[in-house]
Amino acid sequence: AQKVTQAQTEISVVEKEDVTLDCVYETRDTTYYLFWYKQPPSGELVFLIRRNSFDEQNEISGRYSWNFQKSTSSFNFTITASQVVDSAVYFCALSGMIQGGKLIFGQGTELSVKP
Amino acid sequence: ETGVTQTPRHLVMGMTNKKSLKCEQHLGHNAMYWYKQSAKKPLELMFVYSLEERVENNSVPSRFSPECPNSSHLFLHLHTLQPEDSALYLCASSQVVNNEQFFGPGTRLTVL
Repeated sequence: AQKVTQAQTEISVVEKEDVTLDCVYETRDTTYYLFWYKQPPSGELVFLIRRNSFDEQNEISGRYSWNFQKSTSSFNFTITASQVVDSAVYFCALSGMIQGGKLIFGQGTELSVKP
Repeated sequence: ETGVTQTPRHLVMGMTNKKSLKCEQHLGHNAMYWYKQSAKKPLELMFVYSLEERVENNSVPSRFSPECPNSSHLFLHLHTLQPEDSALYLCASSQVVNNEQFFGPGTRLTVL
């Protein structure tokens, strides 16, 4: 069975602090994708990143970085120098590499960045 | 311009009403999805359409009826809903192969 766990339900930080959102996954598939989505108060899920299980290189995009560690089945997301606009619910998700595959979402972490 | 649009954005309906949610994608994708997002719960996949064929029905009650007339449009027909069906209903689309899904803004449904 596939499962995604985001143990942090809510996180509150002050602007300019760094914050890491944890994601741990379970799967029996040998090949799979991992995702992060952002859901601001408007409701729309915004795609942030997709990683495939072949590639464990960490990725950086501006203030965002992702740490994929297959050995611990984790795909953590760090926001550096957080801003108020980063306030949102963040979802980690997992899917197998099959046509039209199902995305399994974690419960989400609500991040609140205070000025 | 948003790649996936949903209408209406908000809907209030009684338990005996019939209504439909509409989703349209402008991304040239071949797969479309309906998700339900209830408060404090993970997103729940409801239906998947690939090349206009339904490939997954995730044990959804028959009071929810999807329709995919073409690869750009997806509907969710609602009838005799229950108050516990109140939720945010999200539509998504993707190319068939790579599972990178793009979401619409959702329809906030309240069933009285």
